[in-house]
Amino acid sequence: DTAVSQTPKYLVTQMGNDKSIKCEQNLGHDTMYWYKQDSKKFLKIMFSYNNKELIINETVPNRFSPKSPDKAHLNLHINSLELGDSAVYFCASSPSGALETQYFGPGTRLLVL
Amino acid sequence: DAKTTQPTSMDCAEGRAANLPCNHSTISGNEYVYWYRQIHSQGPQYIIHGLKNNETNEMASLIITEDRKSSTLILPHATLRDTAVYYCIVPPNAGGTSYGKLTFGQGTILTVHP
Repeated sequence: DTAVSQTPKYLVTQMGNDKSIKCEQNLGHDTMYWYKQDSKKFLKIMFSYNNKELIINETVPNRFSPKSPDKAHLNLHINSLELGDSAVYFCASSPSGALETQYFGPGTRLLVL
Repeated sequence: DAKTTQPTSMDCAEGRAANLPCNHSTISGNEYVYWYRQIHSQGPQYIIHGLKNNETNEMASLIITEDRKSSTLILPHATLRDTAVYYCIVPPNAGGTSYGKLTFGQGTILTVHP
């Protein structure tokens, strides 16, 4: 009964490949987010979706494209992976009226070789 | 965003209270103070938030000064499992909403030792 789940947990891939990370929440929340935590441990927001609509789109390369098939899922697709994309990616969700109270997933550790 | 300043690291003995300070001198009147923590290799975890009154929940207490320029997160009886990075965050309040945009700084590394 995990609240926010991500798959895969680990992802090792070659430069230039395309990969996707999936996120699902069973909390009934309307808003979901993607964050990136780099090697220096800084955690930065990338995107947020509310009821499948893009709300926040930070300065992120176009190679990153979020997709929300329904409000319980927010997937992250990354094209033409680069070495600098290596990081831990966290998905989160929050209820309406309390957007700052976010529930995070366990993270996906991406390593680009 | 209201900038926050936290000490880089703190130590605490197990069973004692851990008091983590945060300065947010540029906070606006309608901006809340949020605290999260991140245990090693896990996702961040919400702890508590407040506007101007002191708040308490099952995890911690939050003391906000009267001028709201600083706050202290209190873990009343720290355990080894409380060892983590603690983040003090003041989300922007533009037009009544932050849109959920949380800006995580460097935080305070709290080490609880036996």
